[in-house]
Amino acid sequence: DAKTTQPTSMDCAEGRAANLPCNHSTISGNEYVYWYRQIHSQGPQYIIHGLKNNETNEMASLIITEDRKSSTLILPHATLRDTAVYYCIVRPARFIRGGKLIFGQGTELSVKP
Amino acid sequence: GAVVSQHPSRVICKSGTSVKIECRSLDFQATTMFWYRQFPKKSLMLMATSNEGSKATYEQGVEKDKFLINHASLTLSTLTVTSAHPEDSSFYICSARRSSQETQYFGPGTRLLVL
Repeated sequence: DAKTTQPTSMDCAEGRAANLPCNHSTISGNEYVYWYRQIHSQGPQYIIHGLKNNETNEMASLIITEDRKSSTLILPHATLRDTAVYYCIVRPARFIRGGKLIFGQGTELSVKP
Repeated sequence: GAVVSQHPSRVICKSGTSVKIECRSLDFQATTMFWYRQFPKKSLMLMATSNEGSKATYEQGVEKDKFLINHASLTLSTLTVTSAHPEDSSFYICSARRSSQETQYFGPGTRLLVL
């Protein structure tokens, strides 16, 4: 499985954009980049995923570099409720071990007033 | 979005007893369900993968006789922790997906405390 590297923690001011980086330099051509977040004592929440193109939904934007070796999750206007651990996961292609999600350590984002 | 529920949300049991945790996909049929375990201040660790109607596939180091998984229908999977001990106390989280190409959604978790 492609390994991801994320900063251990980040701070962000409320109302500002939070930019969470992820390095996945060994990603294969048919592997997706998934982002989940986990608020304390809850199950992970799906945020967004992408293959090559940038993606945007109501929660966030995902920017993937052209060489696909890194990506950035952007929360455009962070609120206190966005304080959570954010996980960047490279999901194996479906024909390889069933496409399981393997979690790394993630980035602990603290949104401060 | 897809909704996954778990029951109970928290359970306290005595050492040596067995505990069953249910995971349900409420608005979709899940061909595959996953069980994770999470210790305090640690990341989620995948325990096993179960496909409806098949035996579960356990990750290395997870005892299949200790953690019994049943995926009897497309909307229900159960995890039974047999002869629970204090070291089994943890946060157990299930997730489900429709097919191998689709997004995996997670339940709210079950906190198990074994006394």
